[in-house]
Amino acid sequence: QVQLKESGPGLVQPSRTLSLTCTVSGFSLTSYGVSWVRQPPGKGLEWIAAIWSGGSTDYNSALKSRLSISRDTSKSQVLLKMNSLQTEDTAMYFCARLRRHYYVMDAWGQGASVTVSS
Amino acid sequence: DVVLTQSPATLSVTPGERISLSCRASESVDTYLHWYQQKPNESPRLLIKYASQSISGIPSRFSGSGSGTDFTLSINGVELEDLSIYYCQQGNSLPFTFGSGTKLEIK
Repeated sequence: QVQLKESGPGLVQPSRTLSLTCTVSGFSLTSYGVSWVRQPPGKGLEWIAAIWSGGSTDYNSALKSRLSISRDTSKSQVLLKMNSLQTEDTAMYFCARLRRHYYVMDAWGQGASVTVSS
Repeated sequence: DVVLTQSPATLSVTPGERISLSCRASESVDTYLHWYQQKPNESPRLLIKYASQSISGIPSRFSGSGSGTDFTLSINGVELEDLSIYYCQQGNSLPFTFGSGTKLEIK
């Protein structure tokens, strides 16, 4: 059974760095990619970053300077770091399995809520 | 970036109705267009991939069509459980982008 689960700090102070972890099961990170997608309260979905099965990465250009995505295949984890957080980064952050064929996100985690506030 | 415009923003429906939701791309995305359903307080769920390909476990009343810049998600016989926000997403070029969503409400 394919599962993804996000974990993170919940509350982060402005200007600090956010670290999120996506722990996956039921598939291998060397066979599938993983994307991060965020959703501000009451708003739509925004794709943030992806790490592919071969380890290469892609970022939303609007956020690229603040982002880093990596993985630990031995732990089946994908890590997302975002620095210089602002209140507008307050959102639910989802990780999703990404298939290179069709570039579709076919399984999603439950999401991790992140609030940026002092 | 490819802009996806979804219409209508909100659709009020009667159970049993057949409805169509639109997603229009600012440039061709071939058939790299996918549809997701998001129920309140849940994560998105893939409904249709590659414009028209069905997904295992998704009811057959959901179908998709289109190519290039114009796409449609159809629901043949809306049920109460279909009350959700529906998003389209393009995978033809980076950055991947989503439409702003269509919210399905009961009339």
